Amino acid sequence: EIVLTQSPGTLSLSPGERATLSCRASQSVGGNNIAWYQQKPGQAPRLLMYGPSNRATGIPDRFSGSGSGTDFTLTISRLEPEDFAVYYCQQYGGSPTTFGQGTKVEIK
Amino acid sequence: QVQLQESGPGLVKPSQTLSLTCTVSGGSIFSGVYYWNWIRQPAGKGPEWIAHFYTSGSGRTDYNPSLKSRATISVDTSKNQFYLELNSVTAADTAMYYCSRNLHHWGQGILVTVSS
Repeated sequence: EIVLTQSPGTLSLSPGERATLSCRASQSVGGNNIAWYQQKPGQAPRLLMYGPSNRATGIPDRFSGSGSGTDFTLTISRLEPEDFAVYYCQQYGGSPTTFGQGTKVEIK
Repeated sequence: QVQLQESGPGLVKPSQTLSLTCTVSGGSIFSGVYYWNWIRQPAGKGPEWIAHFYTSGSGRTDYNPSLKSRATISVDTSKNQFYLELNSVTAADTAMYYCSRNLHHWGQGILVTVSS
């Protein structure tokens, strides 16, 4: 199975700053089929991005995704207070679909 | 807007079978071409996909090989529900369990603890 490694584990930033989250796959992801999720405490993961640069319905344009092959990035251009959460990448280009271990974006 | 709700026991004894129900509202399970999933997430860790069934063609089901055939997913169209059974559970199966359509729409989750 494809193992996803996310970095950094924790990102400490201030509102208004730019956040760059990395997701590296153990092998090339078919179709660049990567998705990104946001999870807040006590809530289910919420789909942000898929494909890897398509925003899900209702996701603001400060979120963007990029990458190909084994290296993918989620960028939040200007952090809003509601963006502080844990973010997971997921690959659905190979079976079984797998998730990364997460990056926590916390308030500095 | 589709909504999903998990239900079932919150505590299961080791070696027993975990049984969960996902009730779907706002649309029929077979009203379109979708993957209906079970996913779990241990505390402080990333999600793990367990199984799905596909509402097209032969209605294929797929399972995560890591569960070594302990999982079974099934559906009751008359109740608009689908189910997860996970047998021979251990403490390692303690997690929040979610049902989901296409991994776009998720239930709120149910915490299942395996303990004697």
